[in-house]
Amino acid sequence: AQKITQTQPGMFVQEKEAVTLDCTYDTSDPSYGLFWYKQPSSGEMIFLIYQGSYDQQNATEGRYSLNFQKARKSANLVISASQLGDSAMYFCAMREGQDSNYQLIWGAGTKLIIKP
Amino acid sequence: DVKVTQSSRYLVKRTGEKVFLECVQDMDHENMFWYRQDPGLGLRLIYFSYDVKMKEKGDIPEGYSVSREKKERFSLILESASTNQTSMYLCASSPAGTFRDEQYFGPGTRLTVT
Repeated sequence: AQKITQTQPGMFVQEKEAVTLDCTYDTSDPSYGLFWYKQPSSGEMIFLIYQGSYDQQNATEGRYSLNFQKARKSANLVISASQLGDSAMYFCAMREGQDSNYQLIWGAGTKLIIKP
Repeated sequence: DVKVTQSSRYLVKRTGEKVFLECVQDMDHENMFWYRQDPGLGLRLIYFSYDVKMKEKGDIPEGYSVSREKKERFSLILESASTNQTSMYLCASSPAGTFRDEQYFGPGTRLTVT
């Protein structure tokens, strides 16, 4: 079974609109963390935002926020006021348990294209 | 700034060749990772290392080996390259710090095996 599911292979959004990228996860471990990364066409993975399973508040980093719904096991990324430079692949990833090796489990990604 | 570098951005090799992909990080991170990225499949872990000379298999280790002789350097070896190993290879590192530490990535190596 997929541990991380990103159901949107691709999205087109008008510049300046808000964007929600979906991510659902599957784990039985009460301790886990969720990460979002951006991969522009240049190829380098850029860390955006982190949400821990015990964090009391939804994470925010500038224009990025995480809509964390623990009971539904979803951790959607919200980008406010989208810009042309937001066009990229976006990946959701999860780290389970107190894994000393700090491995991440990755979703298949969503390709976001911002239209001018 | 954390910097992870990879020896080549693009590489073309022939079937059967031995291929070395090098990764170097400059932040004294304990953990290093090699991933393979293919469209629609996300990132799949090949091998990781949590200390010098230590290595652990990831999800898809077949056809690959790794070497970590120094803390800053983690090499991925394709003993006999095959066309199904044509892919983007990403190296990452992270500290053995807290659960919420992110992984830092290199620019990737796009390998084509003909």
